[in-house]
Amino acid sequence: NAGVMQNPRHLVRRRGQEARLRCSPMKGHSHVYWYRQLPEEGLKFMVYLQKENIIDESGMPKERFSAEFPKEGPSILRIQQVVRGDSAAYFCASSPPAPSGGVSGQFFGPGTRLTVL
Amino acid sequence: SQKIEQNSEALNIQEGKTATLTCNYTNYSPAYLQWYRQDPGRGPVFLLLIRENEKEKRKERLKVTFDTTLKQSLFHITASQPADSATYLCALENQAGTALIFGKGTTLSVSS
Repeated sequence: NAGVMQNPRHLVRRRGQEARLRCSPMKGHSHVYWYRQLPEEGLKFMVYLQKENIIDESGMPKERFSAEFPKEGPSILRIQQVVRGDSAAYFCASSPPAPSGGVSGQFFGPGTRLTVL
Repeated sequence: SQKIEQNSEALNIQEGKTATLTCNYTNYSPAYLQWYRQDPGRGPVFLLLIRENEKEKRKERLKVTFDTTLKQSLFHITASQPADSATYLCALENQAGTALIFGKGTTLSVSS
């Protein structure tokens, strides 16, 4: 049973370009979470999705950022018109059908490291 | 809003000793608290979950306590090994039950 998969692992973009980060949850997991981790800072929640629904996007900036988890295919975190401050590690996590992982915790992917030049 | 503090950024101990990491939180009382391990360049890995009605939880060399009066959790690694060197994160569910709030982590270094 493969774990949570994220791609690409490293992404370099110039200011103003778009970044698309993909996440395939563990098999059987229907809850997906995106987090951002800046150097010297902790993991910050961005958005929580279930299939075709955004449940909580309170941690995601209102502009330039969007997320989706379609019926088929991976979850996508999209950042439009990237700026240098978007440089960070972005982690995706998934959990079985229980919010916040319930008793089983959340399973994290290896992350995508975004560098904005 | 919920806040979590892990008492120190770094902890250095010798192999064989017990490492004790602290996690304090404020505001509402969560139903459970989780601990994760994160190695450099990798995603966090879930270790243990402890519920509010559990005083203590053990898993191999790991022990977690949860004091809802003090609003504190202690994470112990007994007979520590160099391989235990990593950053350890505590996490609580937010009040809406939709996300985890993480502490900044404590980086443990175990020297041989």
